[in-house]
Amino acid sequence: GENVEQHPSTLSVQEGDSAVIKCTYSDSASNYFPWYKQELGKGPQLIIDIRSNVGEKKDQRIAVTLNKTAKHFSLHITETQPEDSAVYFCAASQGEKLTFGTGTRLTIIP
Amino acid sequence: DVKVTQSSRYLVKRTGEKVFLECVQDMDHENMFWYRQDPGLGLRLIYFSYDVKMKEKGDIPEGYSVSREKKERFSLILESASTNQTSMYLCASSPAGFYGYTFGSGTRLTVV
Repeated sequence: GENVEQHPSTLSVQEGDSAVIKCTYSDSASNYFPWYKQELGKGPQLIIDIRSNVGEKKDQRIAVTLNKTAKHFSLHITETQPEDSAVYFCAASQGEKLTFGTGTRLTIIP
Repeated sequence: DVKVTQSSRYLVKRTGEKVFLECVQDMDHENMFWYRQDPGLGLRLIYFSYDVKMKEKGDIPEGYSVSREKKERFSLILESASTNQTSMYLCASSPAGFYGYTFGSGTRLTVV
C-alpha cells in the first residue's frame, strides 16, 4: 500500500517568514495530493490540493509543488501570520482513499 | 454550509463496553470514512464505504466494525472497547472520484 512520510514534525518560524513542509510518497500510481490544516479542537480542513498532471498550484499565500519523478511534494506558506499556527497534514491518493502523513505542528512566533 | 456531524465530542467508556460512534453528512456524498488520530502516527484509516451497505477494511480494522444503512450516516462500532482504543476518531466524507475529504470535528474517546 501507499506510504507517506512528512517532515519536519515540528516547525517554528518568525511571523512574516516563509514555512516549508515536505512529503514523500511511495506509490508511483498516486495521482492526487491534498493538504489539510487542523486547528485546535477541530477536524482537518482542506486548504489546497494538486493533481499529478500539474507541477505547481498557488492560492494567495500558500502553494504546493509536486515532483512526480522524485515522488515528493511540498507545501509553501509565505508571509506567515499567527493564524497559520496549526497542525498540517499531507496526503496521497491513487483512488478515493487517502493515506496521510504524520503531521507537522507549525508555530508562528510573533 | 456543508457539514459532517459527529454525535459526540467527548466519550468515556469502560473496558469491554460496546461503543457506537455516529457520523452524519448532509452533502449527499457517496464516500464515507473513519480514521483514528494518534500523536506521532497521523491519521490511520479504519474503515470506509463507497455506498450504502458497502464497507471496506482500511489499514487498522481490528476491533472495529461499521454500518451504513443510509447514505448520509456511517457508524463506527467498537465491539468490546479496550484501553488501546483510546484515541481521537475522525469521520470524513467525499463525493465519488478523486476529491478531498470534508471532516467532522472528531470524537475524543477515552476507554478506562
